[in-house]
Amino acid sequence: QKEVEQDPGPLSVPEGAIVSLNCTYSNSAFQYFMWYRQYSRKGPELLMYTYSSGNKEDGRFTAQVDKSSKYISLFIRDSQPSDSATYLCAMSPSGAGSYQLTFGKGTKLSVIP
Amino acid sequence: DSGVTQTPKHLITATGQRVTLRCSPRSGDLSVYWYQQSLDQGLQFLIQYYNGEERAKGNILERFSAQQFPDLHSELNLSSLELGDSALYFCASSARGSMNTEAFFGQGTRLTVV
Repeated sequence: QKEVEQDPGPLSVPEGAIVSLNCTYSNSAFQYFMWYRQYSRKGPELLMYTYSSGNKEDGRFTAQVDKSSKYISLFIRDSQPSDSATYLCAMSPSGAGSYQLTFGKGTKLSVIP
Repeated sequence: DSGVTQTPKHLITATGQRVTLRCSPRSGDLSVYWYQQSLDQGLQFLIQYYNGEERAKGNILERFSAQQFPDLHSELNLSSLELGDSALYFCASSARGSMNTEAFFGQGTRLTVV
């Protein structure tokens, strides 16, 4: 079992739809949870991060972490064609292990005008 | 623009050869991280340097090595290249030794081994 599992998609939605992206993980030591967006032929760009459990909202984006279920989500409201990209979840422990991120394989999202 | 610069953007080379990838971190960042991204494995951590010293190693092959210079730029050396080494190689940097909240990735170097 991989430490972080992410449905690779692809996911295709109409413009304006609500998008739900998810990851599950197995390592209980993970404390920081991040979502990255990667456009084609570009480097990953940090969208949001959450420490431990809970929700975090930033504009049209909401990140949720449920540590009891080892499950994290990213919601995108009012999706736009410019949101078309691959979304990667990433996680790390706090303290000594925080030098590296463990990534999911990414979900490719297409938002159709 | 993340402020992290990687060169070259593309590299095509033959099996058995050696290549060097270069990374300039954001101004003021002391940590440099190298990641490999392939279709089947996703993004995998290779190695971290902090202020010139190796700090942590991940899934880095013995044929691969890296260093960070006094001006804080870093180089990743890949030798005895195999077809399976074809991938995107990313460099990231952060001010301190953690990737938790503050790391920024470069645009990557696409390596093709033929």
